[in-house]
Amino acid sequence: QSVLTQPPSVSAAPGQKVAISCSGSSSNIGNNYVSWYQHFPGTAPRLLIYEDNKRPSGIPDRFSGSKSGTSATLGITGLQTGDEADYYCGTWDGSLSAGVFGGGTKVTVL
Amino acid sequence: QVQLQESGPGLVKASGTLSLTCDVSGVSISSSSWWVWVRQSPGKGLEWIGEVFHRGTTNYNPSLESRVSISVDRSTNQFSLKVTSVTAADTAMYYCARVRTDVRGRMISYYIDTWGRGALATVSS
Repeated sequence: QSVLTQPPSVSAAPGQKVAISCSGSSSNIGNNYVSWYQHFPGTAPRLLIYEDNKRPSGIPDRFSGSKSGTSATLGITGLQTGDEADYYCGTWDGSLSAGVFGGGTKVTVL
Repeated sequence: QVQLQESGPGLVKASGTLSLTCDVSGVSISSSSWWVWVRQSPGKGLEWIGEVFHRGTTNYNPSLESRVSISVDRSTNQFSLKVTSVTAADTAMYYCARVRTDVRGRMISYYIDTWGRGALATVSS
């Protein structure tokens, strides 16, 4: 059972957009910044979004992040077949004094 | 650029100790960074195991704390993970990574910007 809650899967057709939610509490998302990662199994995860909505260099602007209260959202527009991967949210949890991840969301391009 | 590479035995006997090392290159491990271990068990999501600061301070996942130890060796620019009393549930891909963290007012910025490629550790009975 992950501290942060994500939907197991989302899907859309190529060119469409998807939104992945990440729900937490005041000890994590509510009072700390959120990051998002893209993961193709067997490879190193890649940082997509940090500090709620900032993109590292090299990450296309098709990926965006937002946060409201104790929930965060990753948006992907112009969906491509290469976006089929698992996506994780993460943050610091002040009550646990530990980093935490969501359970992951599998994105499928129909 | 910063690179991390995990190494260690791929097979560990149940009830034994799993030991992995992360070789850091491109930056001194003594820079102002925390260094973290994350794992992914088959069919499951990412799990934060614990982290170490270059001065040796550590934080651990409360669910693993009694069995986990993370240390740093500044002379070799490496940090290490030990998991004791392993079971099949500890079979996973283990990743070492660099944390970027800062305090902005009352909020903590915490994210992992550089990851190793991962090392598979299998617990055998």
